Amino acid sequence: RKEVEQDPGPFNVPEGATVAFNCTYSNSASQSFFWYRQDCRKEPKLLMSVYSSGNEDGRFTAQLNRASQYISLLIRDSKLSDSATYLCAVNIDMDTGRRALTFGSGTRLQVQP
Amino acid sequence: SAVISQKPSRDICQRGTSLTIQCQVDSQVTMMFWYRQQPGQSLTLIATANQGSEATYESGFVIDKFPISRPNLTFSTLTVSNMSPEDSSIYLCSGDPKGVNEQFFGPGTRLTVL
Repeated sequence: RKEVEQDPGPFNVPEGATVAFNCTYSNSASQSFFWYRQDCRKEPKLLMSVYSSGNEDGRFTAQLNRASQYISLLIRDSKLSDSATYLCAVNIDMDTGRRALTFGSGTRLQVQP
Repeated sequence: SAVISQKPSRDICQRGTSLTIQCQVDSQVTMMFWYRQQPGQSLTLIATANQGSEATYESGFVIDKFPISRPNLTFSTLTVSNMSPEDSSIYLCSGDPKGVNEQFFGPGTRLTVL
């Protein structure tokens, strides 16, 4: 089983739609969770951190479900410019002090006019 | 956040040669990391660059193939040694600014080995 798993998509949605992605992680000791956005041929850019209490930034809402070991990203009122690959990232080995991230394979979103 | 630059942005190299990639951060970071992203794939961690000591490599990556330096808190290099076409990939460095539990990435170096 992969440490971090995502549905690769693609998710094809019309403008204005609401879309949600999930990401599951296998290590229950994971402490830090993030969503990154990656455009074609660009580096990943941090979209938002995911806190235990959830996190909202405009049209974007991230949630953490520790019991079921997944994080989610909800995008409301999708824009054409939201088309990208969304990567979830997890810090796995916090007990060792390690801060490197383990990434999921990414979910591709295509917003259509 | 941190602004991270990488040089070169891209290169085309011959089999058997080596390429050194530089990573510069505009502020002090606690940790620096090197990742690889092969076409259509997600990011894979190569190693953690430790300041003043040997890098910590992930399974499947060795120092002889990917020597790493980090002489200070804001600069690191990754060398891809004795390259083969299988090394063709995007190499990304990242860092997490002091006091911030978030990682930021450089723009990547796109390497093609012929």
